Amino acid sequence: GDSVTQMEGPVTLSEEAFLTINCTYTATGYPSLFWYVQYPGEGLQLLLKATKADDKGSNKGFEATYRKETTSFHLEKGSVQVSDSAVYFCALSEGRVTGGGNKLTFGTGTQLKVEL
Amino acid sequence: GAGVSQSPSNKVTEKGKDVELRCDPISGHTALYWYRQRLGQGLEFLIYFQGNSAPDKSGLPSDRFSAERTGESVSTLTIQRTQQEDSAVYLCASSRAGGENSPLHFGNGTRLTVT
Repeated sequence: GDSVTQMEGPVTLSEEAFLTINCTYTATGYPSLFWYVQYPGEGLQLLLKATKADDKGSNKGFEATYRKETTSFHLEKGSVQVSDSAVYFCALSEGRVTGGGNKLTFGTGTQLKVEL
Repeated sequence: GAGVSQSPSNKVTEKGKDVELRCDPISGHTALYWYRQRLGQGLEFLIYFQGNSAPDKSGLPSDRFSAERTGESVSTLTIQRTQQEDSAVYLCASSRAGGENSPLHFGNGTRLTVT
């Protein structure tokens, strides 16, 4: 079945450092890919997405490019801030499934800690 | 409220007891999902509702797990005869429609601990 693998955390960076969180996937079709973020005390929220190969999703300075040849969707940010401290989840959508649902397959999450 | 609301936020129960977890989706969202996250693992899909019907129950791990939804509103996830392996954070999400272009909005989850 479909699966998502992302790097284990925690990742600890100094403010203004460059961030990469690796994500690779296994899927039978052509899934859409997502990054969700969970800030302390809050629910998961969509950070960015890409729906086809070579698409780049971006939001709040974060970017990820859908690479079909390497089945990857790595999350990057050029200069992190303390406020970016959160848990980041990579996910894929199997597309239209039974009843038209948007069933997502998630990775295990990567905790990011940004220090001054 | 503006977001997805789940209650209780924490629940500790003894092995063998039944528990009910509640989810209030965002008003107007027709699709509702339940996921669970066990320690050190990714989110596992449990069940999907479109309105009050559940076209995809494929993630429910056993017949001890059931869920229902009233109209396009509240959903309850019931776990009967709880086991220690049921300990997890149970997350509810809703979306405006069921398609893959409708982003999911998650609640803060219910942390269930079975002792």
